[in-house]
Amino acid sequence: DSGVTQTPKHLITATGQRVTLRCSPRSGDLSVYWYQQSLDQGLQFLIQYYNGEERAKGNILERFSAQQFPDLHSELNLSSLELGDSALYFCASSAPQQEAKNIQYFGAGTRLSVL
Amino acid sequence: AQKITQTQPGMFVQEKEAVTLDCTYDTSDPSYGLFWYKQPSSGEMIFLIYQGSYDQQNATEGRYSLNFQKARKSANLVISASQLGDSAMYFCAMREGRNRYSGAGSYQLTFGKGTKLSVIP
Repeated sequence: DSGVTQTPKHLITATGQRVTLRCSPRSGDLSVYWYQQSLDQGLQFLIQYYNGEERAKGNILERFSAQQFPDLHSELNLSSLELGDSALYFCASSAPQQEAKNIQYFGAGTRLSVL
Repeated sequence: AQKITQTQPGMFVQEKEAVTLDCTYDTSDPSYGLFWYKQPSSGEMIFLIYQGSYDQQNATEGRYSLNFQKARKSANLVISASQLGDSAMYFCAMREGRNRYSGAGSYQLTFGKGTKLSVIP
């Protein structure tokens, strides 16, 4: 168990809908990262938050947004969903004291199916 | 150009034997980190081992060791005494850059496409 909690584990929805994925980082970790894993694109970085502030953006679509709350949990919002958004979405967290290494510990992922 | 290349889509190894999974990387940053993660069929990503670009010795974690050849830009994972539970996808990843911000950095990982390891009894 990595200590990173993601909910829900599975999500089935229809095109055009909006969903929210939730992540609770490991205790003490301030950084949260979101990644998308799909068959055609592989594992791709989406966005990073550190202590409530956006730190970096990767290949994140404009239809997607995220935030990190004062209690450090994070949410990834996906809107106007398309079939191609079906993927496994991971959250990872890392500790400030490990910044030199930045070992990221991953949650179990949320599997999104858009029908 | 791909930053992380894993040339072996699939590998087979006999139980109790050692296996090497290949990873080459491309970066011009002098400070970087290399990681290996394991993804079993259940889907979670499990951190295995880390190697920093300035580390003098190859990293080891139990049955996992990293064969780091900086000049060749390779970071191969060696699994000794393979077990059936080692059957999984293995991903090599790289983090580039130093801290750009006080107390935190932008340290996203770039992943390779993975190698599927199957351990044969």
